[in-house]
Amino acid sequence: EAQVTQNPRYLITVTGKKLTVTCSQNMNHEYMSWYRQDPGLGLRQIYYSMNVEVTDKGDVPEGYKVSRKEKRNFPLILESPSPNQTSLYFCASSLSAGLWETQYFGPGTRLLVL
Amino acid sequence: KQEVTQIPAALSVPEGENLVLNCSFTDSAIYNLQWFRQDPGKGLTSLLLIQSSQREQTSGRLNASLDKSSGRSTLYIAASQPGDSATYLCAVKDGSSNTGKLIFGQGTTLQVKP
Repeated sequence: EAQVTQNPRYLITVTGKKLTVTCSQNMNHEYMSWYRQDPGLGLRQIYYSMNVEVTDKGDVPEGYKVSRKEKRNFPLILESPSPNQTSLYFCASSLSAGLWETQYFGPGTRLLVL
Repeated sequence: KQEVTQIPAALSVPEGENLVLNCSFTDSAIYNLQWFRQDPGKGLTSLLLIQSSQREQTSGRLNASLDKSSGRSTLYIAASQPGDSATYLCAVKDGSSNTGKLIFGQGTTLQVKP
């Protein structure tokens, strides 16, 4: 089944404790992206990747890192999480960043930073 | 700066009604518009994608229209069912950016009562 998977689905952590949220897609997509969803603010792009080893900042990149060493994986790294990073995170992928592409989203990771 | 608005924020209808969800965007220079469904605790499911050159797309009981010049899209749901209860999000792929970023509205939460 073609899908985007994220792990973990739920995570409670404490301020300053490094964490990684994994994202994987099995559709051979070149483009991958991370969003966060917050009440009243909607979904906002954190980082995106056009292809392997090519990543760039979205609208809200502060406090996050990403890497794209393989085509299928695009982990989101929080080096020193803070309470304002409590949010619902979505990973997305598409064949490319092109004009015609549908984006497919993962199931989301709900993060609580205490 | 592109902004996407969805009205109403919430809608409750009895089963069987036909209904329309609205989406407006401030800059008509878009590549495409996508409607998503979000269920609690689950990810975003793509419903329909309308390219900027298209006027409408249909899938089953769903019909989405696009009027780029007026900055509006509507999602029409025919013969609504309780299983249609969810939050519906529209998102545009902005023509001013080649990042592949989607700009989302805040969503309309639909409740269909049996």
